[in-house]
Amino acid sequence: KNQVEQSPQSLIILEGKNCTLQCNYTVSPFSNLRWYKQDTGRGPVSLTIMTFSENTKSNGRYTATLDADTKQSSLHITASQLSDSASYICVVSGNYGQNFVFGPGTRLSVLP
Amino acid sequence: EPEVTQTPSHQVTQMGQEVILRCVPISNHLYFYWYRQILGQKVEFLVSFYNNEISEKSEIFDDQFSVERPDGSNFTLKIRSTKLEDSAMYFCASNVGQDGHGYTFGSGTRLTVV
Repeated sequence: KNQVEQSPQSLIILEGKNCTLQCNYTVSPFSNLRWYKQDTGRGPVSLTIMTFSENTKSNGRYTATLDADTKQSSLHITASQLSDSASYICVVSGNYGQNFVFGPGTRLSVLP
Repeated sequence: EPEVTQTPSHQVTQMGQEVILRCVPISNHLYFYWYRQILGQKVEFLVSFYNNEISEKSEIFDDQFSVERPDGSNFTLKIRSTKLEDSAMYFCASNVGQDGHGYTFGSGTRLTVV
């Protein structure tokens, strides 16, 4: 069964600190993997997208990694800000990039 | 930056009533999707739509649900006879092609069935 798991379920850090979120997946065939940021009550906003051949991709303070062999990805957030408080969702797409499988998300809280 | 627009942002309806959720995808996008997210749970795929027909749907998308692209700009999700368990955020998304790089979500419609 196609599944995406994320850890930790929730995370609390102090402003300015770094953190890393994990994603494991069993989706096959694999097309791409995305990380989304979702503010409460809002739609997901794309942070990064990686295909099979990409190992790392950065978007400002966000850096995502992908190991397609172990089917693992991570999202590293550098120098966290209060506005980073949100749910971070790992989404894996098979089937030519359609019909994504969503992870449950990691709820990140950044405290002053 | 182009956006996917959803209306209304919040809708309250009585159980058994029909609701139509509206979405205006990005103008040059060809693939359209609906997702739902029950409060506190993960986002779930409902249906994808391309070339004026459903290309894929999930088990959630039963006979209660239908989608339509009534004109060149709108993409709607209809729930015929709402149930309490239909209460959720409903997200529309659109994509320019199949490779997923232009995939964009709307801000969602919060549906509350009472």
